[in-house]
Amino acid sequence: DQQVKQNSPSLSVQEGRISILNCDYTNSMFDYFLWYKKYPAEGPTFLISISSIKDKNEDGRFTVFLNKSAKHLSLHIVPSQPGDSAVYFCAAEDTDKLIFGTGTRLQVFP
Amino acid sequence: NAGVTQTPKFQVLKTGQSMTLQCAQDMNHEYMSWYRQDPGMGLRLIHYSVGAGITDQGEVPNGYNVSRSTTEDFPLRLLSAAPSQTSVYFCASSGSRQGFSYNEQFFGPGTRLTVL
Repeated sequence: DQQVKQNSPSLSVQEGRISILNCDYTNSMFDYFLWYKKYPAEGPTFLISISSIKDKNEDGRFTVFLNKSAKHLSLHIVPSQPGDSAVYFCAAEDTDKLIFGTGTRLQVFP
Repeated sequence: NAGVTQTPKFQVLKTGQSMTLQCAQDMNHEYMSWYRQDPGMGLRLIHYSVGAGITDQGEVPNGYNVSRSTTEDFPLRLLSAAPSQTSVYFCASSGSRQGFSYNEQFFGPGTRLTVL
């Protein structure tokens, strides 16, 4: 049973527009969430995170929103750039472990 | 700092063969882990270690063994490879077991394994 879900396998956005990537989780005990970005033939790299005591965290063009009642988080990228084209994984911390979603492939076109 | 290094980058095995995927980090990190990435399945945790001499199972440990004799190295052993183990394998490390809110997890570049 998947505890962290990313229901959209892919997303295509025009350069300059907003990209919104979504993630749902089932375990209300999760208290820390992260987003990782992965380019082909490379390992994932940390992008941004949020604690469950917050509902928003912003870092430059990247903002993560957390809705605990809905068990949902989203990553907003504004404005989207071609270099943002990658696979994005959300993850939840679960005592000594990170549980990852299945990933969303973002393509930003000119 | 080289960060997290993995060898080999690519490997082809026949069913039943054994091999060891190597992982090393030079950041003096206590926590190390192995993931596999499969299409549509995301990153799934195989085994992890919170320090030298300590290992534990993740979500998909069957068919894999690990040991942690030093802080720097965390090899992953396939004792008898099966086609279901065809995947991309990532090793990762972070500063301590205090939690990922305190310690960023760094990933290696991956090993692409094919089992025929």
